[in-house]
Amino acid sequence: KAGVTQTPRYLIKTRGQQVTLSCSPISGHRSVSWYQQTPGQGLQFLFEYFSETQRNKGNFPGRFSGRQFSNSRSEMNVSTLELGDSALYLCASRLAAITNTGELFFGEGSRLTVL
Amino acid sequence: DQQVKQNSPSLSVQEGRISILNCDYTNSMFDYFLWYKKYPAEGPTFLISISSIKDKNEDGRFTVFLNKSAKHLSLHIVPSQPGDSAVYFCAVPFTSGTYKYIFGTGTRLKVLA
Repeated sequence: KAGVTQTPRYLIKTRGQQVTLSCSPISGHRSVSWYQQTPGQGLQFLFEYFSETQRNKGNFPGRFSGRQFSNSRSEMNVSTLELGDSALYLCASRLAAITNTGELFFGEGSRLTVL
Repeated sequence: DQQVKQNSPSLSVQEGRISILNCDYTNSMFDYFLWYKKYPAEGPTFLISISSIKDKNEDGRFTVFLNKSAKHLSLHIVPSQPGDSAVYFCAVPFTSGTYKYIFGTGTRLKVLA
């Protein structure tokens, strides 16, 4: 079955602009989470959605937001971009909704460069 | 406050030898642990997991050991192959009413042919 699909794969923006990233989870997966990866920082949790509801949010400013649609597809938005927002943004989907175990399935990521 | 730590940012090992990647955690409530592997320009892929009711889980060349008293887990790769060269992350689901996974900062493994 198809894996997690993220678009776009690469994008370049300038400071002050905003960006929207898209994620289509594996069919049947209703939990979608987003992570930011920067060098030396590992993967930092942004937020998780389940059934169109944000269940948890990481320690990021309000410029970072997201949503999930009824078909489980998710988008994240970053407004007023800063140079420090340059990172790989990873989307992950998960089958298990009740328990908090089980593996995450990641997309290939969206590489954002802010100039 | 980094609850999951991988103190070695990089590791080089000869092909055929054992690779040992380490991960330490601070919260004794953590009860499930995963290892992910990440190649450049790809997303992380699940490698192996272990529950706190076990102290060892093996899958082919990969074995994860858990030492709960030391709050330490390690991933052993035997024998190491050049295709194992990647960044390895340990991860913990945060089970205290939230739904996130905490990742370590990763260890870049290079297996030398």
